[in-house]
Amino acid sequence: GQSLEQPSEVTAVEGAIVQINCTYQTSGFYGLSWYQQHDGGAPTFLSYNALDGLEETGRFSSFLSRSDSYGYLLLQELQMKDSASYFCAVGRSNDYKLSFGAGTTVTVRA
Amino acid sequence: DADVTQTPRNRITKTGKRIMLECSQTKGHDRMYWYRQDPGLGLRLIYYSFDVKDINKGEISDGYSVSRQAQAKFSLSLESAIPNQTALYFCATSEYGTSGTRTVDTQYFGPGTRLTVL
Repeated sequence: GQSLEQPSEVTAVEGAIVQINCTYQTSGFYGLSWYQQHDGGAPTFLSYNALDGLEETGRFSSFLSRSDSYGYLLLQELQMKDSASYFCAVGRSNDYKLSFGAGTTVTVRA
Repeated sequence: DADVTQTPRNRITKTGKRIMLECSQTKGHDRMYWYRQDPGLGLRLIYYSFDVKDINKGEISDGYSVSRQAQAKFSLSLESAIPNQTALYFCATSEYGTSGTRTVDTQYFGPGTRLTVL
């Protein structure tokens, strides 16, 4: 089987840094992705890690440790528009599809 | 124009009715997916298709069927809708490939269809 764990909610103030952790158990792992979804909207791709280490895209960074089955998404210089749900997703090479976590709701306060 | 479109965007129907949700894409991707989203449960895969002749069940396919009419079109049907199928439905396409030893699978989602079954 497979499972993904991520916190359900995080609250922070504008300008702060938020880290959303994701731990997973799956066979045939090939990569960890992160998606953002604003309320009622379509999920949009943020970041992807296939190899260990940090990937940086502007204010957002994502990290992966394959040996620990763990990754995180780092949101820096938080802005009000970053209030959204964030999903981690693992890709599996045995069936070539993504499995999504339940999502983390980030609330940014002024 | 949006790359992935879904129709209808909202639908209210009654128990027992047959419903079809349609998805079209202009991204030229072979892979297409249907997901269901319920509050607190993230995205759950209903069906997926890696090309026109390939259809696969996802984790929650019971009560649903699909048709891949062309590379660009993937439809989801609820043969006899029931209230617990009330949810937000997303279609997605996938850009899948390998670069050296690195596998990339980026999914692009449509705007969603909000379905209510009374």
